Amino acid sequence: EVQLLESGGGLVQPGGSLRLSCAASGFTFSRYAMSWVRQAPGKGLEWVASTGTIGGTTFYADSVKGLFSISRDNSKNTLYLQMNSLRAEDAAVYYCAKMGGPLGVPDTRYFDSWGQGTLVTVSS
Amino acid sequence: EIVLTQSPGTLSLSPGERATLSCRASQSVSNSYLAWYQQKPGQAPRLLIYGASSRATGIPDRFSGSGSGTDFTLTITRLDPEDFAVYYCQQYGSSPKWTFGQGTKVEIK
Repeated sequence: EVQLLESGGGLVQPGGSLRLSCAASGFTFSRYAMSWVRQAPGKGLEWVASTGTIGGTTFYADSVKGLFSISRDNSKNTLYLQMNSLRAEDAAVYYCAKMGGPLGVPDTRYFDSWGQGTLVTVSS
Repeated sequence: EIVLTQSPGTLSLSPGERATLSCRASQSVSNSYLAWYQQKPGQAPRLLIYGASSRATGIPDRFSGSGSGTDFTLTITRLDPEDFAVYYCQQYGSSPKWTFGQGTKVEIK
């Protein structure tokens, strides 16, 4: 069974930094692209970032480009999201999502498993 | 960027009724790379449909997806009490810019 467990969320002041982690199990982590998707309170889903199977390829939403960095450690089956210069509009539940295959296979670029999410609050 | 518009915003139905949810794209979604997700309060989204019409593993056959180009539909043939939730469409045809619709809430009438 696929399991994705996010951690690292919490309260941070505007301009601060936070690093989210997602521990994966139940599948061969290194064979799948991974992503982060967020959901502001009471709002819809917003794609944040994606990374390929070995982390060499990364993509970001315009709203976080240059501020957030996605990475992965296949030896630890863990996905990360480094968030810098946080703003009030970055407050959300951040979900780790497994994709249907590697990024190089376009018809698998959907999100087939999700973690339970970690809450990030940005406030002074 | 492809913008997805879902309608209606809220659908009020009774258990056993048929639900039809619409997702319209601002431009054609290549290869029908469109997915549908279900989200219940306090839970993570769950993949229902990918490739516009393929059911994900473990999804009951009362859920079906159809459409191509710019118009897509999610149909729930007979609403079960556990189906009352928010549903999102998402395109991955113009990745690496994945986008979601704003959601349709299916509520109990």
